[in-house]
Amino acid sequence: NAGVMQNPRHLVRRRGQEARLRCSPMKGHSHVYWYRQLPEEGLKFMVYLQKENIIDESGMPKERFSAEFPKEGPSILRIQQVVRGDSAAYFCASSPSSGPSEQYFGPGTRLTVT
Amino acid sequence: SQQGEEDPQALSIQEGENATMNCSYKTSINNLQWYRQNSGRGLVHLILIRSNEREKHSGRLRVTLDTSKKSSSLLITASRAADTASYFCATAINTGTASKLTFGTGTRLQVTL
Repeated sequence: NAGVMQNPRHLVRRRGQEARLRCSPMKGHSHVYWYRQLPEEGLKFMVYLQKENIIDESGMPKERFSAEFPKEGPSILRIQQVVRGDSAAYFCASSPSSGPSEQYFGPGTRLTVT
Repeated sequence: SQQGEEDPQALSIQEGENATMNCSYKTSINNLQWYRQNSGRGLVHLILIRSNEREKHSGRLRVTLDTSKKSSSLLITASRAADTASYFCATAINTGTASKLTFGTGTRLQVTL
């Protein structure tokens, strides 16, 4: 049973470009969470999605950031017009239910904005 | 300040010694979880303790939870070099359909031979 998969593992973008980060949850999991980790810090919640629905986006910046989890295919975190401050590790996690249970994390995508 | 804050920020011990990390939080929780992160890697779930539990064991790990003090501790016994990593506590607050985790800033553990 494959774990949570994220790609790419490393992404370099110039200021002003778009970044697309993908996450495939574990098989059988329909709940996806995105977190951001700045250097030397803990993870910060960004958004929680179920298939075709955004459930909680209280941690998402109001502008330039969006997320989706379509009926088919991976969840996508999209950052438009990236700035240097967006450089961070972005982690996706999945869980089989909506309750406050264990979440399974992917290896992360390290975004560097030059 | 953050919901979860670990103490100490960094800990260096020798192999075979025990390592204790503490976590404090501010609001009522459904459960508290501990994760490990090796440098440059994703997080690995270690243990989950529910708000109505006081102590839990898993192998060399022992977690306690004191909801009256809003604190938890993680004890790693007989540490090994492979335990070198950052350890994070995360609290889960079930608000309706949301179940996001709120992470602390982590304790960096270094186990030397």
